[in-house]
Amino acid sequence: EADIYQTPRYLVIGTGKKITLECSQTMGHDKMYWYQQDPGMELHLIHYSYGVNSTEKGDLSSESTVSRIRTEHFPLTLESARPSHTSQYLCASSELRTGELFFGEGSRLTVL
Amino acid sequence: EDQVTQSPEALRLQEGESSSLNCSYTVSGLRGLFWYRQDPGKGPEFLFTLYSAGEEKEKERLKATLTKKESFLHITAPKPEDSATYLCAVESGGTSYGKLTFGQGTILTVHP
Repeated sequence: EADIYQTPRYLVIGTGKKITLECSQTMGHDKMYWYQQDPGMELHLIHYSYGVNSTEKGDLSSESTVSRIRTEHFPLTLESARPSHTSQYLCASSELRTGELFFGEGSRLTVL
Repeated sequence: EDQVTQSPEALRLQEGESSSLNCSYTVSGLRGLFWYRQDPGKGPEFLFTLYSAGEEKEKERLKATLTKKESFLHITAPKPEDSATYLCAVESGGTSYGKLTFGQGTILTVHP
């Protein structure tokens, strides 16, 4: 069973607010990812990290930022949320040389 | 650019009625093809990885197969608990591990 946790599960906020989505994993995985998924649509990679102090942008442009100060923790931050940021954000982790991803349960963000 | 197309978009089966889901892909050098299961409101759960044409993997009522252009997920005698969205994803040799391109998924509903 995968041990990767996301908080909050659901968040409704007003435009202009700063938000941070938390993601933690206890498997000791070096690689972590943030995917974005709209209802009925594909998952798109927005950020990934190879390890501590490593962050890269994914294929889908995003106004969010990430940090990786500890192996187990990969938070995503939106400085000023807008309605276009409304989506589900999925965090995942994996061992270095594999595409087998372990996903969290997701954070569903609604910006009014 | 890697592309993944899944069909059908939705599939409704009676319990015990076997069927197949299709995943067509174009990728520059396939490193791996992945099947995930996603329940409503949850993150995807890893099912299978296939690496080369002709490879097959089985798990309970599910069997995944791979050719050079597509993959099939065969469901034998499905049960209502098999109802979920099934996602296909590819990882190309030109990218880092874990950067997956996902299809939009097939929503499977199994009626008792």
